[in-house]
Amino acid sequence: QSVLTQPPSASGTPGQRVTISCSGSSSNIGSNYVYWYQQFPGTAPKLLIYRNNQRPSGVPDRFSGSKSGTSASLAISGLRSEDEADYYCAAWDDSLSGAVFGGGTQLTVL
Amino acid sequence: EVQLVQSGAEVKKPGESLNISCKASGYSFTSYWIGWVRQMPGKGLEWMGIIYPSDSDTRYSPSFQGQVTISADKSISTAYLQWSSLKASDTAMYYCARNAYSGSNHPFQHWGQGTLVTVSS
Repeated sequence: QSVLTQPPSASGTPGQRVTISCSGSSSNIGSNYVYWYQQFPGTAPKLLIYRNNQRPSGVPDRFSGSKSGTSASLAISGLRSEDEADYYCAAWDDSLSGAVFGGGTQLTVL
Repeated sequence: EVQLVQSGAEVKKPGESLNISCKASGYSFTSYWIGWVRQMPGKGLEWMGIIYPSDSDTRYSPSFQGQVTISADKSISTAYLQWSSLKASDTAMYYCARNAYSGSNHPFQHWGQGTLVTVSS
């Protein structure tokens, strides 16, 4: 059972906008920044969003992040087949004194 | 450019010891926390712990405290993950990763390529 809760799966058709949610608590998302990672099968995770809504250089602006209270969301607009991957949220947890991950969401592009 | 290069895949027997490594370059190794993430086959990411190479201050997830040892050698910019007695349940991919910012309370930004550890009799 992960500390942060994500839906196990999400899907959309090319061109659509999809959102992936990440629910936590006051000790993690409620008081710290949220990060999002993209992982393709057999490869290392890649940072997609940091500090709730900031994109590292090279990440398309189709990807955006937001946070409200103890929840966060990753939005992908103009969905493409190459976006099919697993997505994980993460945040520091003050109670655990460590970072925590969501269980991951497998995104399928139909 | 920040690079984290991990040691190669390992196949071990239960009860054996193991030390895997992560060589860092492209930044000041002693200025950022660096740590490890486990990914069991077909499962999600688990934060194991981090170390500050400057003074070897180490933090562990409660799930991994006492099960592994994280260390670093700042003279060669390398972090390590060590087991004294492996179990079959340690079979997983292990990633080293560096914090996004210099403080401890930040998730990871840069990731190594992963080291696959297989424990089987």
